[in-house]
Amino acid sequence: EPEVTQTPSHQVTQMGQEVILRCVPISNHLYFYWYRQILGQKVEFLVSFYNNEISEKSEIFDDQFSVERPDGSNFTLKIRSTKLEDSAMYFCASTVRTSGGGVGFGPGTRLTVL
Amino acid sequence: RKEVEQDPGPFNVPEGATVAFNCTYSNSASQSFFWYRQDCRKEPKLLMSVYSSGNEDGRFTAQLNRASQYISLLIRDSKLSDSATYLCVVNTGTASKLTFGTGTRLQVTL
Repeated sequence: EPEVTQTPSHQVTQMGQEVILRCVPISNHLYFYWYRQILGQKVEFLVSFYNNEISEKSEIFDDQFSVERPDGSNFTLKIRSTKLEDSAMYFCASTVRTSGGGVGFGPGTRLTVL
Repeated sequence: RKEVEQDPGPFNVPEGATVAFNCTYSNSASQSFFWYRQDCRKEPKLLMSVYSSGNEDGRFTAQLNRASQYISLLIRDSKLSDSATYLCVVNTGTASKLTFGTGTRLQVTL
């Protein structure tokens, strides 16, 4: 069964640096998402992406964040200037449709900001 | 009021026990409901969708009460491998944005 994949599995960066987290959604899926989970807290929605544009974003997804689907297969999340509080697990997800079914999540990228 | 509220637990039960988890949600416009399972430091994995008529998948039974905005999960004949955090998840219908509860931790022991 096809799965969402994410790279890297763990990223360590210095505060203020830019990071790019990468995801390869399932190939026939049309809707893509990023979620994050700070250690010990709940999973939180960041952004949804459809038809090459953001369809919805949360308050967390401020100007420091951006998403892109550069080549029709990858889906990236960029954090321009990382803060300590950006340390979290970042999960990519995709789905073929928006109603009814749940989404499948990738294994996550653990981001540690020092 | 939290959007999705769950008892964090932990629930410590012996193998073979039946355990039930409850969840309430605040947005009456919510359209789809799910239980996900999350193992420590892993991604959430879809356990089952929840339908108004109630649905069962093996040892797992899910119920939804739209009037009370209440969702439940029943696990029968608990196995050691059921030990995990169970996440109540609600889709508010906008572009499949999922809202997660904080999860209920289950520990099944010998």
